[in-house]
Amino acid sequence: AQTVTQSQPEMSVQEAETVTLSCTYDTSESDYYLFWYKQPPSRQMILVIRQEAYKQQNATENRFSVNFQKAAKSFSLKISDSQLGDAAMYFCAYRSRGNDMRFGAGTRLTVKP
Amino acid sequence: DAMVIQNPRYQVTQFGKPVTLSCSQTLNHNVMYWYQQKSSQAPKLLFHYYDKDFNNEADTPDNFQSRRPNTSFCFLDIRSPGLGDAAMYLCATRAGPQETQYFGPGTRLLVL
Repeated sequence: AQTVTQSQPEMSVQEAETVTLSCTYDTSESDYYLFWYKQPPSRQMILVIRQEAYKQQNATENRFSVNFQKAAKSFSLKISDSQLGDAAMYFCAYRSRGNDMRFGAGTRLTVKP
Repeated sequence: DAMVIQNPRYQVTQFGKPVTLSCSQTLNHNVMYWYQQKSSQAPKLLFHYYDKDFNNEADTPDNFQSRRPNTSFCFLDIRSPGLGDAAMYLCATRAGPQETQYFGPGTRLLVL
């Protein structure tokens, strides 16, 4: 069974600094997708970034980028120039073709002004 | 523009009183999901539909049922809510095998 592990229950970062959230996963599949979702307190879960496993290039969305290490089964999220609005629960998720999404336990990010 | 809509956003029910949560989508996605999320935890999949094909997770309690009368709407029925069913219920949709999953804002259920 596929599992997703987020080893950091909580992280904090100073405003304008950079923070990296870790995620590892376990799978025997070769074709799959990885996601980072953000869930602010009492608000909607939204997609931050997505990576297809067959793509070697790391995905980037503005201040958000990933470090995808397929051999190591690692998928970390880097947030640059952190803003107060980045404070949220971040979930790493995995899905292979035709299967349901598996979530990590989440990392709560605090941004200090 | 809202794409996955959940009503109501907050629902209060009494212990044992049936309650229905609703989800609608404007995306015309063929896959719809219901998740239960308790405080500071990851969403837990209850069931999903691929078109009209219903898939129940093995550990979803019998107390939870679902209906999908058409592509746009999906309902979660909790027949006899217990205190342990108090949670956020998330609806999500997906277009196809390669596509991203989109979540609704959730319905927070309180059981008194």
